[in-house]
Amino acid sequence: GQQVMQIPQYQHVQEGEDFTTYCNSSTTLSNIQWYKQRPGGHPVFLIQLVKSGEVKKQKRLTFQFGEAKKNSSLHITATQTTDVGTYFCAGHSTGAQKLVFGQGTRLTINP
Amino acid sequence: DAGVTQSPTHLIKTRGQQVTLRCSPKSGHDTVSWYQQALGQGPQFIFQYYEEEERQRGNFPDRFSGHQFPNYSSELNVNALLLGDSALYLCASSLGQVSNQPQHFGDGTRLSIL
Repeated sequence: GQQVMQIPQYQHVQEGEDFTTYCNSSTTLSNIQWYKQRPGGHPVFLIQLVKSGEVKKQKRLTFQFGEAKKNSSLHITATQTTDVGTYFCAGHSTGAQKLVFGQGTRLTINP
Repeated sequence: DAGVTQSPTHLIKTRGQQVTLRCSPKSGHDTVSWYQQALGQGPQFIFQYYEEEERQRGNFPDRFSGHQFPNYSSELNVNALLLGDSALYLCASSLGQVSNQPQHFGDGTRLSIL
């Protein structure tokens, strides 16, 4: 079945450093979604990418969807302590209702 | 504008028991999905309900069943509980028949099996 893998599993940075997490799917995706889960909280939707090669920005966050629609990345510029949490990618295979999540990248920040 | 609400927040059961978890979707949403999130893992799709029907199911045994009511609220039932069923159970709502909609999650029910 469809699998979504994320690397790294953990990332610790100094405040102000950049952060990137990568997401790879075993199947072609119709879309990729990104969520953030704060410690003790629930996943919160950040963004959705649909088009091959699409790039979207939200302030310091940049999201990319690969040309083959099988991989994606999230890059945070100049991290802040408010960025702490676990970032998940999730995708639908074409025609499927099932949303498959990666295992997440846990970001911790040293102030 | 109420978001997704789940009850109870915490639950402790013993092996072999049965449990029912409840979810009310975000106002205006008509689709409910259930996920199981083990500690340190991503949410795993259990199933999705739309128009009171199970629309798709993940790789979970028949011990996991659900229901959606005419007001779009939903229940997740788990029978013959196993230790491995201990997890955070998340309900997410979305709008419409089309897939690929953003999921709005509730705070979850933390289920512990002794």
